Amino acid sequence: AQRVTQPEKLLSVFKGAPVELKCNYSYSGSPELFWYVQYSRQRLQLLLRHISRESIKGFTADLNKGETSFHLKKPFAQEEDSAMYYCALNNAGNMLTFGGGTRLMVKP
Amino acid sequence: NAGVTQTPKFQVLKTGQSMTLQCAQDMNHEYMSWYRQDPGMGLRLIHYSVGAGITDQGEVPNGYNVSRSTTEDFPLRLLSAAPSQTSVYFCASSPGPRSGELFFGEGSRLTVL
Repeated sequence: AQRVTQPEKLLSVFKGAPVELKCNYSYSGSPELFWYVQYSRQRLQLLLRHISRESIKGFTADLNKGETSFHLKKPFAQEEDSAMYYCALNNAGNMLTFGGGTRLMVKP
Repeated sequence: NAGVTQTPKFQVLKTGQSMTLQCAQDMNHEYMSWYRQDPGMGLRLIHYSVGAGITDQGEVPNGYNVSRSTTEDFPLRLLSAAPSQTSVYFCASSPGPRSGELFFGEGSRLTVL
């Protein structure tokens, strides 16, 4: 069965510091992975997906099949990055399996 | 463009009461789903639908019913509310298979006393 694990419930960094939100997954097939973000008082929304290999708002995420990881990184955190971040895995039926979420707090 | 609309935003129930959470989308999406969000557990899939007239169970379906009579609407029914169903519920829609991009509603916070 597929599973997504985000080991940190809370990550607190200072503005300008690097950020890495960890995500590990277990899946028997070829995974499709995503990061979703929920800013305060806003809807949950897609941040990025691994197949597009893009950088969104300075965030990148690389799929490492050997380590079964999809960590989200940003070299210099901004206060506006404070939010709840969810890693998600797309199963064959287009229904996402989400991790438990990591709350990122960026302090001034 | 309203996107995904959920009602009500807040609801308090007593144990044993029933209610329906409404979800409507105006994007002509085939896929719709319901998730519940609990602290530390992320979002867990309750039920989903891949088109009008087709529904299936997700990870945590017990205590919930759904139907999909139209493309636009996907209501979630709690038949006999229990305190364990206290949660925030999210409805989401998606344009099609394997897109991976879900469009979420604002959420409905349900408290069962």
